[in-house]
Amino acid sequence: AQSVTQLDSQVPVFEEAPVELRCNYSSSVSVYLFWYVQYPNQGLQLLLKYLSGSTLVKGINGFEAEFNKSQTSFHLRKPSVHISDTAEYFCAVRHSGAGSYQLTFGKGTKLSVIP
Amino acid sequence: DTEVTQTPKHLVMGMTNKKSLKCEQHMGHRAMYWYKQKAKKPPELMFVYSYEKLSINESVPSRFSPECPNSSLLNLHLHALQPEDSALYLCASSQDLTGGRSGAFFGQGTRLTVV
Repeated sequence: AQSVTQLDSQVPVFEEAPVELRCNYSSSVSVYLFWYVQYPNQGLQLLLKYLSGSTLVKGINGFEAEFNKSQTSFHLRKPSVHISDTAEYFCAVRHSGAGSYQLTFGKGTKLSVIP
Repeated sequence: DTEVTQTPKHLVMGMTNKKSLKCEQHMGHRAMYWYKQKAKKPPELMFVYSYEKLSINESVPSRFSPECPNSSLLNLHLHALQPEDSALYLCASSQDLTGGRSGAFFGQGTRLTVV
């Protein structure tokens, strides 16, 4: 079984400041990792994913995340946030093996960008 | 085309009504999913279809009935729902059950209100 912990339920940050949204996971097998963003009254949009290779992953809208296997973390970062980044962010993990349909989500982090 | 399209966007139904949610994708994906998302919670998996066959039913009540008429379409038939079934219903698709290298794509959701 796998689980995802998003340590912060809410993160307020001033516009143009940097932000880090934390995600830790636990799994007994190798996993794929994802960050999704959900704007108010919208579906989920894939921001970025880690499957293999370079541990620093760049995504859309200027976001990046770093996979740290020893710390079982996949924190999301952006050097300078914009008002339009206000949204709910979900970290998710999936077992990398065959037939591994189960996408396990964290509880989400609400990012509020303050003008 | 990397879209998953869901209709309708909003639905209000009475507890004795019968309605259907529709989901469509044209990415050639062979796995499709229904998720339920309550306010301020992560999505919860309901059903998984693989190659038009139901693979997973996460102990969902029978008042929710999924259907996959072909590889591009996924329906969710609703009958005799309860007010607590009010939620955002999300459809997703992926290359196959392993998710491929792209992960899952989500639709914008149907906001369902049961009165």
